[in-house]
Amino acid sequence: DGGITQSPKYLFRKEGQNVTLSCEQNLNHDAMYWYRQDPGQGLRLIYYSQIVNDFQKGDIAEGYSVSREKKESFPLTVTSAQKNPTAFYLCASSIEHFQPQHFGDGTRLSIL
Amino acid sequence: QKEVEQNSGPLSVPEGAIASLNCTYSDRVSQSFFWYRQYSGKSPELIMSIYSNGDKEDGRFTAQLNKASQYVSLLIRDSQPSDSATYLCAVVGSSASKIIFGSGTRLSIRP
Repeated sequence: DGGITQSPKYLFRKEGQNVTLSCEQNLNHDAMYWYRQDPGQGLRLIYYSQIVNDFQKGDIAEGYSVSREKKESFPLTVTSAQKNPTAFYLCASSIEHFQPQHFGDGTRLSIL
Repeated sequence: QKEVEQNSGPLSVPEGAIASLNCTYSDRVSQSFFWYRQYSGKSPELIMSIYSNGDKEDGRFTAQLNKASQYVSLLIRDSQPSDSATYLCAVVGSSASKIIFGSGTRLSIRP
């Protein structure tokens, strides 16, 4: 079955540590996105990528980094510069930029 | 003014009734509109997309778009307890450079 796989489901970060969240899709979608969701809030765009080897900052990119070396993969690194990383992180993909998006199951990140 | 606004709810609707969810947006020339359903602790799933004025029906769901008044709504007929979730409205801006999500409306269907 085609879909988007995010891992891990839960992640704990120590102070000063960088952590990487994985996102893989087998839908052959060109566009991929990372969102952050805080309790009771909507989704805020962190980064997006329309094609391989290209990505753009979203509304809240500070403290995060991404890469898009393969069409299927769009990992997100939460760096130590992100002082409030506790949130639900969602990866999404779409056939083309900002067409209807399909979401992975998400990763919950907490601080130890 | 928020770019995409939704009433946070909770909206309580009896089982079998029609649930009406509303969303207003500020970018007058927005072109694409989506409704997502999100169960507690889960990721959003796409329910409907609508691009032109009028109604679009899919099963028990009807999306309504009125660009002149800058609102989009979602009607759920014959509401079921399984419809209890948060519904997110999403709008693609005029430049198609970003998609903006509302904060969501929490819907509760009471038996």
